[in-house]
Formats: sequence, structure tokens, C-alpha cells
Amino acid sequence: DAMVIQNPRYQVTQFGKPVTLSCSQTLNHNVMYWYQQKSSQAPKLLFHYYDKDFNNEADTPDNFQSRRPNTSFCFLDIRSPGLGDAAMYLCATSRGGLVDNYGYTFGSGTRLTVV
Amino acid sequence: GIQVEQSPPDLILQEGANSTLRCNFSDSVNNLQWFHQNPWGQLINLFYIPSGTKQNGRLSATTVATERYSLLYISSSQTTDSGVYFCAVLPGNNRLAFGKGNQVVVIP
Repeated sequence: DAMVIQNPRYQVTQFGKPVTLSCSQTLNHNVMYWYQQKSSQAPKLLFHYYDKDFNNEADTPDNFQSRRPNTSFCFLDIRSPGLGDAAMYLCATSRGGLVDNYGYTFGSGTRLTVV
Repeated sequence: GIQVEQSPPDLILQEGANSTLRCNFSDSVNNLQWFHQNPWGQLINLFYIPSGTKQNGRLSATTVATERYSLLYISSSQTTDSGVYFCAVLPGNNRLAFGKGNQVVVIP
């Protein structure tokens, strides 16, 4: 089945130690998104790639960066994780454009713990 | 930006009961989706429903785009229906906007 896959499901990292989360998709969607979700809150968009074009949200901290080396993969890099960065990180994809009959597809998420 | 309001915020159901969740949004949208987030955090797409009515098993959804609301119906609820239900809408800027969710607990 076509899907969005995130690895790992759980990640523990040390305060200040760089960490990378990965996302891959077999849907061949144009757009890939990274969301941060803290406890009892709605997901918050960090940034997205439309093909190779990177779109950062205005309030996303500089500590968060992303790479999309090809259509299938997208990475979230946290350069110096703080305790406040502990959260669920969700990757999503969509076809993009005005005509989209399928909407967004989310991966199963990576739960990040900072110790 | 667009406002998305979900009600009720919290709901406790006896297994077997029916319920309706509501999503109001403040502007016209190109897309509306209902998601279920299970206790493990996975967001599962239930419906892509910018307008009209759809059914999938015990779940159904209706969106009245002209009046800017959507309803999610859960019939004969089961304990596996527990979790948070999110309504999310897509205005013209390609950024999905989420409501705060409906926390549903189904007790046996």
C-alpha cells in the first residue's frame, strides 16, 4: 500500500545533541510537510516543500531545518534540541495544487524525548 | 487566518451510543478532512469531504460548505473509537488549518 513512513517511532536525544527525523513516501506526492504536536494541542506546521521549493513558517525557530533530497524523502533536523522541543513530529504529504481529491496523508509520527 | 472551531471539546460515551461532532470554519475552503488520532498519536484520515455526505462503516460525515460547517457522526460507538478527532480545512494558501479537536472517550 502507498503510504507515508516515519522513522524512528520513538527517539530519545540529549539536550543540545543534534537529531534527525526521517520521512519517506510512496505516494509520489508533490508536497511534504513537517508538523510539531505537543500534548493536548493541534498539530502546528513547521515548514513544507512543494517539490524542491522550501516554505518556512514565520514562527518556526531557526533550530529547526529540513532537507528534501528527492521526491520520496524528507528530513527534519533539530540542531540543538531543548526540553521544549519534546513533542510528536508528524510528516504529511499532499498532491498540492488547487485540484486535490485526496487531501493530506500523515505518517505515524516520531515521538521525541529530550533528556 | 481562518478559524476552525470544534465542539464539544470533550465527550464521554457509553459503548453503543451515537454521537455528533461539529466543525465550524470562518471562511470558504478548498478541502476539509476529518482525522482520528489514536492513543499512540497516529493521525488517521477518516474523510476527505469538502462538501456533501460520505459514509464509511459506522462513521459518516456531512459538510455544508455554503454554511461553513461539517458534522461527523459516530454510530454504535466502540472503545476503539476513543481518541481525538480533528477537523482540518484547507483555505487557498496550501496550509491545512486544524481545529483544537474533540476528545472522545468511549467506556465499556
